[in-house]
Amino acid sequence: GAGVSQSPSNKVTEKGKDVELRCDPISGHTALYWYRQSLGQGLEFLIYFQGNSAPDKSGLPSDRFSAERTGGSVSTLTIQRTQQEDSAVYLCASSSQWGDTQYFGPGTRLTVL
Amino acid sequence: KNEVEQSPQNLTAQEGEFITINCSYSVGISALHWLQQHPGGGIVSLFMLSSGKKKHGRLIATINIQEKHSSLHITASHPRDSAVYICATRKTSGSRLTFGEGTQLTVNP
Repeated sequence: GAGVSQSPSNKVTEKGKDVELRCDPISGHTALYWYRQSLGQGLEFLIYFQGNSAPDKSGLPSDRFSAERTGGSVSTLTIQRTQQEDSAVYLCASSSQWGDTQYFGPGTRLTVL
Repeated sequence: KNEVEQSPQNLTAQEGEFITINCSYSVGISALHWLQQHPGGGIVSLFMLSSGKKKHGRLIATINIQEKHSSLHITASHPRDSAVYICATRKTSGSRLTFGEGTQLTVNP
């Protein structure tokens, strides 16, 4: 079956613009995670959705970052008024339930000029 | 000090060598993950451990909860094992993963 997909694969934007990144998890997976990997840095947790529960937003770096998950499936990560320090690879992962093995998407490489 | 520390940061080996990558963590956890990230960025989950030892092919992962330490071993290493290996922990409360900085492994033919 299909794995986790993300779009776009690459996004170049100008400082101050808003961007939306999309994640399609594996069908039937109830848990969805967003992570960020800045150049030369380790992975950083951003946000976690589990079913209909309130999301764990504790990793979002500022109020310019938000995410939603519609219908328990597709998720969108939105970054408002992008800054150069937002440049990173944004990775999405899903798992069948909390605590299970996470399956990662290919990532979206965001470059803010 | 990072909550999750890996060593070494970089490791170069000759094909066929036995490889060990270490991960130490400082807080109580419910699970520890080993991930592999290939050039080009794709991440694959190798193991999820809460105790003991797991084996998959030439890969073995162990964890010692009392010592707060885990190791990833690769037997009979091959150039295709060249990748970044990442250790990540999940705390006993909450769902977020905390990641180590990764170990860059290069296996030369």
